[in-house]
Amino acid sequence: EVQLVESGGGLVQPGGSLRLSCAASEFTFRSYSMNWVRQAPGKGLEWVSYITTTGSSTYYADSVKGRFTVSRDNAKNSLYLQMNSLRAEDTAVYYCARGTGVVAASPYYFDYWGQGTLVTVSS
Amino acid sequence: DIQMTQSPSSLSASVGDRVTITCRASQSISRYLNWYQQKPGKAPKLLIYAASSLQSGVPSRFSGSGSGTDFTLTISSLQPEDFATYYCQHSYSTPPYTFGQGTKLEIK
Repeated sequence: EVQLVESGGGLVQPGGSLRLSCAASEFTFRSYSMNWVRQAPGKGLEWVSYITTTGSSTYYADSVKGRFTVSRDNAKNSLYLQMNSLRAEDTAVYYCARGTGVVAASPYYFDYWGQGTLVTVSS
Repeated sequence: DIQMTQSPSSLSASVGDRVTITCRASQSISRYLNWYQQKPGKAPKLLIYAASSLQSGVPSRFSGSGSGTDFTLTISSLQPEDFATYYCQHSYSTPPYTFGQGTKLEIK
């Protein structure tokens, strides 16, 4: 069974940094693009970032552009999200999600999700 | 960026009811529309992709339709386990892949 396990969340002060990880197993990680999605407490889902299979191309939500960086290590079956200059409004549960399909060429959807890791930005 | 608007934001229904949730895109997205179900404290679960394709393992009482800008998710006969929040999401062209604001389905 496909597994995605996020880690690295916690309490951080405004302006601080945090690095989230997502460990993937039971599928060929290097063959799938990946995404980060977040959910603020009591709010809806917000897509955050996308990375291609090789890491050669990335996209970001305007709300995090220039502050967050997505990366992956296919040898370690791992996805990362480096979060800098954190703000109170970045407080959320962060999910990694596997993307299936080909962006801009076929239906594309998030078929597997991790359980999420909570990031709290507060002084 | 493409905006996704769901209606209603909340809905009360009874077991056995037929329920329809609507999602509208701010521009045509062909059939690049997905639906997810989320229960409290859990990760979202994919129900429908490409507007009407049922994800493996999802009960057939769930169905999706639409194209262009207007889409619907229908649950033909509500079961107790269906009470949850539902989100639409577009996957047209390149990211950002915006979600709708969600529809909370509650027990009447």
